[in-house]
Amino acid sequence: GQQLNQSPQSMFIQEGEDVSMNCTSSSIFNTWLWYKQDPGEGPVLLIALYKAGELTSNGRLTAQFGITRKDSFLNISASIPSDVGIYFCAGRNTGNQFYFGTGTSLTVIP
Amino acid sequence: EPEVTQTPSHQVTQMGQEVILRCVPISNHLYFYWYRQILGQKVEFLVSFYNNEISEKSEIFDDQFSVERPDGSNFTLKIRSTKLEDSAMYFCASGSGQGVSEQYFGPGTRLTVT
Repeated sequence: GQQLNQSPQSMFIQEGEDVSMNCTSSSIFNTWLWYKQDPGEGPVLLIALYKAGELTSNGRLTAQFGITRKDSFLNISASIPSDVGIYFCAGRNTGNQFYFGTGTSLTVIP
Repeated sequence: EPEVTQTPSHQVTQMGQEVILRCVPISNHLYFYWYRQILGQKVEFLVSFYNNEISEKSEIFDDQFSVERPDGSNFTLKIRSTKLEDSAMYFCASGSGQGVSEQYFGPGTRLTVT
């Protein structure tokens, strides 16, 4: 299957700092999604991106659909303790199958 | 706010037994999905379902697995002759369309095969 690589694999940051993470693929995608997963729960959709170059915000979160359509970025500004969790990117190509990234584990230190 | 629900939350079964995992997608959604997540690993696509048939499936979704929409609300995943390596969280998701659709996940069913 498709490989989506996320970096960094884990992050430890101080409360109030900004966070950046990215997702890259060897294949082109038509849709990029970003999810947050808390332990023992299902992924929760944060942001959806549909067009190359698109920049979308959701509160303190901002995500971009890379121009090459092979990558996407998620930024979190002014992190707070409840931002703790695992962040997954997911991409969809021309089919109806979503491929998930390897995840970025975020720890926010109060 | 509408949400995807799944039952049971935790299923323990013995190796070789059959299990059925149940999902109730969001009511006006037309696309349904099953994913699994082995503990500590990424979410893996199993199958997508539209118009009462499988639209795509991954290499994981072999003859051991089947899906069904037995009525207008439920969407089930059947795993025949479970193996130890089937132990994982199984997530159902639904979406309203294929072209520009997000997916909304249920809370998952933890399957433990002993």
